Amino acid sequence: KNQVEQSPQSLIILEGKNCTLQCNYTVSPFSNLRWYKQDTGRGPVSLTIMTFSENTKSNGRYTATLDADTKQSSLHITASQLSDSASYICVVSPRGYKLSFGAGTTVTVRA
Amino acid sequence: GAVVSQHPSRVICKSGTSVKIECRSLDFQATTMFWYRQFPKQSLMLMATSNEGSKATYEQGVEKDKFLINHASLTLSTLTVTSAHPEDSSFYICSARARDNYGYTFGSGTRLTVV
Repeated sequence: KNQVEQSPQSLIILEGKNCTLQCNYTVSPFSNLRWYKQDTGRGPVSLTIMTFSENTKSNGRYTATLDADTKQSSLHITASQLSDSASYICVVSPRGYKLSFGAGTTVTVRA
Repeated sequence: GAVVSQHPSRVICKSGTSVKIECRSLDFQATTMFWYRQFPKQSLMLMATSNEGSKATYEQGVEKDKFLINHASLTLSTLTVTSAHPEDSSFYICSARARDNYGYTFGSGTRLTVV
């Protein structure tokens, strides 16, 4: 069973609207959690990195939250733009270097 | 910020030939580099981990003789797909990590098509 579960698998939103992506994980012990944006045919690009002691971190219109007690994280996209269309991947790092990847949420922003 | 350059971005080769993919850290020394494979609509799957100057560590099910990894310097790692077959067609991505930095920077990926 994957240790990092993301939902929804995909979603479609209208330009200008907000959306929230979810990530639940069971990885333990936990070091940090990352959100990446992956455009089609490209490598992942880091959006946020949070350690277990951080609750929220923002990067422009992207805001990530983390609840280490419930092992849940979310990524909120504000005022979506067409360029936000991509796959968003939740990645959890245990202590050590081996990352655990979620399957991603595909976001499609429509005009 | 940290930049990882991966080349080529796309390659088409004939079945039975070998293909080399390069991954370079441009502005930092990458003590550890990782190679991933990604199938359509799936997450990244770790193939192998390489530390500079030592042999790569392969994940279970990944053939080390088929996917040759070389990490001869702190800024360059190469993945060679030997005797490629159509089932090796995939998106290959590298990432690099500096010694004292817990950040991972990914390359832009290589789309390999074997015909």
